[in-house]
Amino acid sequence: GQQVMQIPQYQHVQEGEDFTTYCNSSTTLSNIQWYKQRPGGHPVFLIQLVKSGEVKKQKRLTFQFGEAKKNSSLHITATQTTDVGTYFCAAFSNSGYALNFGKGTSLLVTP
Amino acid sequence: DAGVIQSPRHEVTEMGQEVTLRCKPISGHDYLFWYRQTMMRGLELLIYFNNNVPIDDSGMPEDRFSAKMPNASFSTLKIQPSEPRDSAVYFCASSLSYRGITMEQFFGPGTRLTVL
Repeated sequence: GQQVMQIPQYQHVQEGEDFTTYCNSSTTLSNIQWYKQRPGGHPVFLIQLVKSGEVKKQKRLTFQFGEAKKNSSLHITATQTTDVGTYFCAAFSNSGYALNFGKGTSLLVTP
Repeated sequence: DAGVIQSPRHEVTEMGQEVTLRCKPISGHDYLFWYRQTMMRGLELLIYFNNNVPIDDSGMPEDRFSAKMPNASFSTLKIQPSEPRDSAVYFCASSLSYRGITMEQFFGPGTRLTVL
């Protein structure tokens, strides 16, 4: 399958600071999905990126898919305590049916 | 729709006992996935089904693990015998396919398994 690596593993920010997590692959990805998991919760779908160079925004969250479709990023502007959680990127396996999840980036926001 | 339903939410058992985890996917979804999540290994795909048929079980750790989907609204993941290293959160997820590709996955709340 298409494996993805995420960095950083952990990030601790002060409320109001920006945050970015990166997702990288050694192979070209067909598309990529992002999920958020709150502490003690389950992963929840955020977005899917399909096109090369695609940029999508959801309020303070900006998602980007690289031109070569080998990397992706999630940027949060002016973090809030509600942004706390682990953010996962996931790429489809070669079959196109199952997802390979990255290890995630755990975000801690202190007021 | 109530979303993906899993039971039990918590399970504590002793080593050697049989454990059965249950999942009810979202009605109409044609794919069902079982994952295991631990701090060390992250979120691992164990097995997935399409229209109740197991497609890929290469993630199942060993023969102690088995999964079934007798109908479109029910799946089980069984561990027999259980071992302490099986302690983890087990998630079930379902999704709908469109033009041969699965869309977003909807996860259940998970079952936190502790094997003593």
